[in-house]
Amino acid sequence: GDSVTQMEGPVTLSEEAFLTINCTYTATGYPSLFWYVQYPGEGLQLLLKATKADDKGSNKGFEATYRKETTSFHLEKGSVQVSDSAVYFCALILNTGFQKLVFGTGTRLLVSP
Amino acid sequence: EAGVAQSPRYKIIEKRQSVAFWCNPISGHATLYWYQQILGQGPKLLIQFQNNGVVDDSQLPKDRFSAERLKGVDSTLKIQPAKLEDSAVYLCASSFGQHLNSPLHFGNGTRLTVT
Repeated sequence: GDSVTQMEGPVTLSEEAFLTINCTYTATGYPSLFWYVQYPGEGLQLLLKATKADDKGSNKGFEATYRKETTSFHLEKGSVQVSDSAVYFCALILNTGFQKLVFGTGTRLLVSP
Repeated sequence: EAGVAQSPRYKIIEKRQSVAFWCNPISGHATLYWYQQILGQGPKLLIQFQNNGVVDDSQLPKDRFSAERLKGVDSTLKIQPAKLEDSAVYLCASSFGQHLNSPLHFGNGTRLTVT
């Protein structure tokens, strides 16, 4: 079945460090890919998305490129801040008409000053 | 705009008891979703409504879970009787439509503990 695999956390970084959170997917069709973020005490929020191969999604300094050849959608940020501490979820939707998000297990990011 | 509202925020019950969760989506959003998020796992779709009709309930344990959206606006999710493995955060989300360019907006969730 369709699935998303994320690197396990927590990922612990110092402020201004470079961030990579790995995400790979398995899908029968051609999915759209998403990163959602969950800040402490808040609901899930869409961070960025990419709908076709080689698309790059970006938002708030975060980027992810849809790599069809490696079935990956790794999240990157050049310089993290303490306020980026949250749980990050990679997710996919198959382009079949209605939205059924399939989520990864989430990766907790902890950024220290 | 006001976000997706859920209540209660927390609930503790004993196994075999029943519980209900409530969700009020963003005004004008036709599509409503209930997700279950077990600790350490990603959210899993339980049921999706389009207005007051069910689009997908393939992963809803129908022997104990039920959900309704009678007037196509707010929704309730019920568990009866609850089991220990139902301990999770129950997330409600809504979107304007079903298509890919209609992002989901999530509520803060209801954390259920079954003892």
